[in-house]
Amino acid sequence: EDQVTQSPEALRLQEGESSSLNCSYTVSGLRGLFWYRQDPGKGPEFLFTLYSAGEEKEKERLKATLTKKESFLHITAPKPEDSATYLCAVQPLKGGTSYGKLTFGQGTILTVHP
Amino acid sequence: NAGVTQTPKFQVLKTGQSMTLQCAQDMNHEYMSWYRQDPGMGLRLIHYSVGAGITDQGEVPNGYNVSRSTTEDFPLRLLSAAPSQTSVYFCASSYGTGQDEQYFGPGTRLTVT
Repeated sequence: EDQVTQSPEALRLQEGESSSLNCSYTVSGLRGLFWYRQDPGKGPEFLFTLYSAGEEKEKERLKATLTKKESFLHITAPKPEDSATYLCAVQPLKGGTSYGKLTFGQGTILTVHP
Repeated sequence: NAGVTQTPKFQVLKTGQSMTLQCAQDMNHEYMSWYRQDPGMGLRLIHYSVGAGITDQGEVPNGYNVSRSTTEDFPLRLLSAAPSQTSVYFCASSYGTGQDEQYFGPGTRLTVT
C-alpha cells in the first residue's frame, strides 16, 4: 500500500526565514511525485512534478527535490503570501488506469508572519 | 476557460437523503476524479474515470456512485447520506489517463446531520 507522510504538520516562519517541508513516501514503484498548494476554502493548485531521484524543480521562492525515499520543498526568503497548506502526493508506476491514482499526504500548514 | 467547476459550494443533508454533486470541466480532459478531504487524513480518491462510459473505484468508494456520459461532466451521487460522509469534496481532471498534473475544482462542503 502506498503511503505518504508529511512533516511538520504546521510550520510558522518569519518573513525572510528560509526552511524546508518534508514528504516521506513508500510506493511499490514511483512514476511521479506531485506538490500542490492549497489556500483556505479552495482546491489544490499544482506546483511541481518530480519523476526521478536527484531531480530538482524551481518556481519563484520554491524548490522541490526528490530522493528515493523523500521529497523536500525548500522555501527561500518566504513572504506572507506563501502562507498555505502544501500537499505532497505520489503516483504509482503501474500502468493503465492506475496512472491517476494519487496518494496524498496530510499536508503541512505554512504560516509566514510579516 | 472556466476550468473545473463544482456545484453546489455548500450543502446540508439529513441522514438518509440523497443528492448529486456536480462537476464539469471545459478543458477536454479525458481523466476525471473525485476526492474527499477530511482533517488530518489528506485527500482520498473516491471514484475516477478515464473517459466517457468508463469509471472505476478509488480508495473509499462505498456509499457513492458515479457515471460519465460525456467528456465534460462527472457527477457524484450519494445514495443515502450518512454523517460519516460529512467532508469537503473535490473534483479534478487531467489529460490522458491522469498521469499528468490534475486540475482541481473549488470544492463542495457537505454536512450530513
